[in-house]
Amino acid sequence: TAGITQAPTSQILAAGRSMTLRCTQDMRHNAMYWYRQDLGLGLRLIHYSNTAGTTGKGEVPDGYSVSRANTDDFPLTLASAVPSQTSVYFCASSDDGGSTDTQYFGPGTRLTVL
Amino acid sequence: GQNIDQPTEMTATEGAIVQINCTYQTSGFNGLFWYQQHAGEAPTFLSYNVLDGLEEKGRFSSFLSRSKGYSYLLLKELQMKDSASYLCAVRDSNYQLIWGAGTKLIIKP
Repeated sequence: TAGITQAPTSQILAAGRSMTLRCTQDMRHNAMYWYRQDLGLGLRLIHYSNTAGTTGKGEVPDGYSVSRANTDDFPLTLASAVPSQTSVYFCASSDDGGSTDTQYFGPGTRLTVL
Repeated sequence: GQNIDQPTEMTATEGAIVQINCTYQTSGFNGLFWYQQHAGEAPTFLSYNVLDGLEEKGRFSSFLSRSKGYSYLLLKELQMKDSASYLCAVRDSNYQLIWGAGTKLIIKP
């Protein structure tokens, strides 16, 4: 199985433009997450969704929005990109019915905002 | 505030043993995870501890002491492919993962 896929792999974006990062999982996991990873910092949670139709804010939600129309897809939108949003973005999913609720990660999207 | 501390970088020799420490201060505790992340790749799950003690999985072992807010990842018989960053994460009272910045492990022949 593919697991979790993300698109695009990388992107250079002009400041002020909007962009949607795509994330799809085929493991039928209920919970999905968006993180950003910056050099010298731990992964920081942007938004999460515990099940289709619900979303929640993480540690650093400002400037980002998400939707969860179905179980498989969890897109992340930057409405008006700023240079501080330059980062590597990881999508993850977890099966909250499991004993450990382990999170599994997609390959990431490297975003540069100029 | 919540805090996860790990050494920034460690160096070890191929075939040797290395211990990577993680200390944490979080609002609540619902398990501790170790992930491996090779450069330019996604984090991949290594181990999970929720009770005190040692969990062994092949060449990798993870230890937890909840009273001390302390964990370590032990890697034995080091191989060159073990060169990677190792991330410690704690699930807090809100069931969110709080992540350390990671320890970059360099393996030398």
